[in-house]
Amino acid sequence: QVRLVESGGGAVQPGTSLRLSCAASGFTFGNYGMHWVRQSPGRGLEWMAAISNDGNTKISADSVKARLTISRDNSKGTLSLQITSLSVDDTAVYYCAKGFYSSHISFLFEFGGQGTPVIVSS
Amino acid sequence: EYVLTQSPGTLSLSPGERATLSCRASESVSSNYLAWYQEKPGLAPRLLIYGASSRATGIPDRFSGSGSGADFTLTISRLEPEDSAVYYCQQYASSPITFGQGTRLEIE
Repeated sequence: QVRLVESGGGAVQPGTSLRLSCAASGFTFGNYGMHWVRQSPGRGLEWMAAISNDGNTKISADSVKARLTISRDNSKGTLSLQITSLSVDDTAVYYCAKGFYSSHISFLFEFGGQGTPVIVSS
Repeated sequence: EYVLTQSPGTLSLSPGERATLSCRASESVSSNYLAWYQEKPGLAPRLLIYGASSRATGIPDRFSGSGSGADFTLTISRLEPEDSAVYYCQQYASSPITFGQGTRLEIE
């Protein structure tokens, strides 16, 4: 069974940076592209970034592209997201998601964890 | 960029009734790459429908998707209290992947 465990969230001040992690199990991690998606009460679900199964292709939403770095370690089965210059608008629950199809990057994905909350406040 | 508009914003129905949720895209969604997700508080969003009409593994046949082009519908028949949730449509035809704003379904 697919299991994704997100971590690294918490309460942070505006202007700081944060690194989120996602530990994957229950599937062959290196065969699937991965995504980060966030959910906030005011904005609903928002796709943020994706990385190919081999880590060589990365795409992200224009709204966060300049502040965001997505990476993965296939040997450890982990996915990471670094976000800089955090603002109150970044307050959300952050989810990692697994590509639905075993491929370079599948734009269809499925969730498998409860997310990690990030609260940006002074 | 595809913009997805869902309606209604909130839907209140009784157990046993049928719910009809709409999702309209700003342009025709290529290959009908349209999915539906269910979100409940404290839980990860769950994939219900993909390819506009294919049910994901383990999803009851009370959930059905239809539509093509720019107009799509999620129908939930024989509503149960556990169906109370927010439902999102999503297009995965191209980047950026986009979601609708959600429809809140209340079962009273």
